[in-house]
Amino acid sequence: AQSVTQLDSQVPVFEEAPVELRCNYSSSVSVYLFWYVQYPNQGLQLLLKYLSGSTLVKGINGFEAEFNKSQTSFHLRKPSVHISDTAEYFCAVSYSGGYQKVTFGTGTKLQVIP
Amino acid sequence: DAGVTQSPTHLIKTRGQQVTLRCSPISGHKSVSWYQQVLGQGPQFIFQYYEKEERGRGNFPDRFSARQFPNYSSELNVNALLLGDSALYLCASSLTGTGWDTGELFFGEGSRLTVL
Repeated sequence: AQSVTQLDSQVPVFEEAPVELRCNYSSSVSVYLFWYVQYPNQGLQLLLKYLSGSTLVKGINGFEAEFNKSQTSFHLRKPSVHISDTAEYFCAVSYSGGYQKVTFGTGTKLQVIP
Repeated sequence: DAGVTQSPTHLIKTRGQQVTLRCSPISGHKSVSWYQQVLGQGPQFIFQYYEKEERGRGNFPDRFSARQFPNYSSELNVNALLLGDSALYLCASSLTGTGWDTGELFFGEGSRLTVL
């Protein structure tokens, strides 16, 4: 069965500092991995996705993530955060093939402090 | 271009009642999925429909049902509402029903259901 673990429920960070949001997944088959962002009172927006190929994936708004198969991790990073990055971030996994069922983690609230 | 639109945005029901939520996908998208997001948790998959047929169902009771219309819009119905059904219900559309190369999910802003 698919599952996603986001180890930190909240991450406070000062503006212009780097940030890493952690994500670990479990699955017995090949997976596709995603990071979504949810701003207050809005739906989810895709930040980036890993399908295959290079393990370093670049997304929108300066975010990037690295797929590590041996550690079953897909951590999200940004070298310098802005106030506008304050939001909730969800790591998610889907099986390769089949229909588009996505399993989400419980989310990490990123709070950027001025 | 219009994104995924959902209605109503907010609604309040009492236990035992029934609710219908509506979703219009992005123009040209043939797949619609529904997710339930309880406060403080990540979204949970309820259904996916593609070309008017159910492609996948999550671990939800039979009180939850959905359908997709010829114009690819969709409705989610929940019968015999329980307090635990209070949540944000998200609709997502995608161009294709399978695969992820061109199958990105685009989410609406959701319908927030409160059951009293």
